[in-house]
Amino acid sequence: GQNIDQPTEMTATEGAIVQINCTYQTSGFNGLFWYQQHAGEAPTFLSYNVLDGLEEKGRFSSFLSRSKGYSYLLLKELQMKDSASYLCGVMDSNYQLIWGAGTKLIIKP
Amino acid sequence: GAVVSQHPSWVICKSGTSVKIECRSLDFQATTMFWYRQFPKQSLMLMATSNEGSKATYEQGVEKDKFLINHASLTLSTLTVTSAHPEDSSFYICSAREQRWDTGELFFGEGSRLTVL
Repeated sequence: GQNIDQPTEMTATEGAIVQINCTYQTSGFNGLFWYQQHAGEAPTFLSYNVLDGLEEKGRFSSFLSRSKGYSYLLLKELQMKDSASYLCGVMDSNYQLIWGAGTKLIIKP
Repeated sequence: GAVVSQHPSWVICKSGTSVKIECRSLDFQATTMFWYRQFPKQSLMLMATSNEGSKATYEQGVEKDKFLINHASLTLSTLTVTSAHPEDSSFYICSAREQRWDTGELFFGEGSRLTVL
């Protein structure tokens, strides 16, 4: 079966760095997405990785290893507004997005 | 960036009535749109894939007669929840990707929160 695993909840301190991991097992692979979702709002796009390596975008970076079925989202210089759920999603061979359950990130002052 | 508009944002209806939710791609043509449902504290669940000019493809367990999807143009898809019941109360979100799939990015609507009394 298809499976996406990510931690349920993480806590970090304002100004620090946090890494949210995601492992996946899917039938085929057409890219991995990271989305941010604040409570009650629609998800917003953060990153898309289809090749191995690190993609950096400001304070956020995303890494992918296809051979290991592994990705992480790295958030630097954490701000209170970064408190949200972070969704890892993998597009399978049929271009269907398989979603993880999300990681709730709590930022403390 | 590309924009997807979803309407209405909030809707409250009586049990047994039907509700229509619209999803529009404002500045690009979307041959494919996706409809998701999200229950509280759960992840997004794909309900169906909407293809312009053809019938939608529904995920297992989603009743096609209850959740009617129409994708009549390259910029508009609609989801109609027919004979809504309280258990249909949820957050419904649409997403779309550009006809020219070169960014790898899905664009999401703002979501529609449905409450059935």
